[in-house]
Amino acid sequence: QKEVEQNSGPLSVPEGAIASLNCTYSDRGSQSFFWYRQYSGKSPELIMSIYSNGDKEDGRFTAQLNKASQYVSLLIRDSQPSDSATYLCAVKEVNFGNEKLTFGTGTRLTIIP
Amino acid sequence: EPEVTQTPSHQVTQMGQEVILRCVPISNHLYFYWYRQILGQKVEFLVSFYNNEISEKSEIFDDQFSVERPDGSNFTLKIRSTKLEDSAMYFCASSEAWQGGSPLHFGNGTRLTVT
Repeated sequence: QKEVEQNSGPLSVPEGAIASLNCTYSDRGSQSFFWYRQYSGKSPELIMSIYSNGDKEDGRFTAQLNKASQYVSLLIRDSQPSDSATYLCAVKEVNFGNEKLTFGTGTRLTIIP
Repeated sequence: EPEVTQTPSHQVTQMGQEVILRCVPISNHLYFYWYRQILGQKVEFLVSFYNNEISEKSEIFDDQFSVERPDGSNFTLKIRSTKLEDSAMYFCASSEAWQGGSPLHFGNGTRLTVT
């Protein structure tokens, strides 16, 4: 059973601070890693993808991957109230013809103005 | 930007009735998926579909569920005899095919309420 673990939160961060979200996964065959943002009652929205060890930056977002530790994280700099949402970590094992994403339970982030 | 579209946005049905949820994936995508999310729970994989056949399905996707791509654009999920526990948000998703593992793009979802 492939597992993706996240702290469910809630995580409260003051506006303008850095929010740090963490995720661990159990399947060493996982090759692709994604962070999705989900507002209440809405669908998951892709924020970041990362495929190799290290950091990947996109605007205020930085994804970090450590395959040896089976750990992936998301940093949000200069947090804004609009960042308040549930952040879903998702992991994909890439086999031809099957690219299923496995989701964690999500971390609920609240940015305090 | 291309998007996945789902209809209807909300479906109410009585227990035991059949429902069909409809999706139009992004046009150049080759992989199609259905996921569901029961209120307050995580997003769960139901089924993946590639090259006009199911490539993988979860334990949730039992004989009451079926998927179909009836034409070149639509992708449907049918639940033959709905149960109360089928009440959930159902998300359709699609992805391109490339070796690195492309992200899934989700539709806005269909909220299914079984009474």
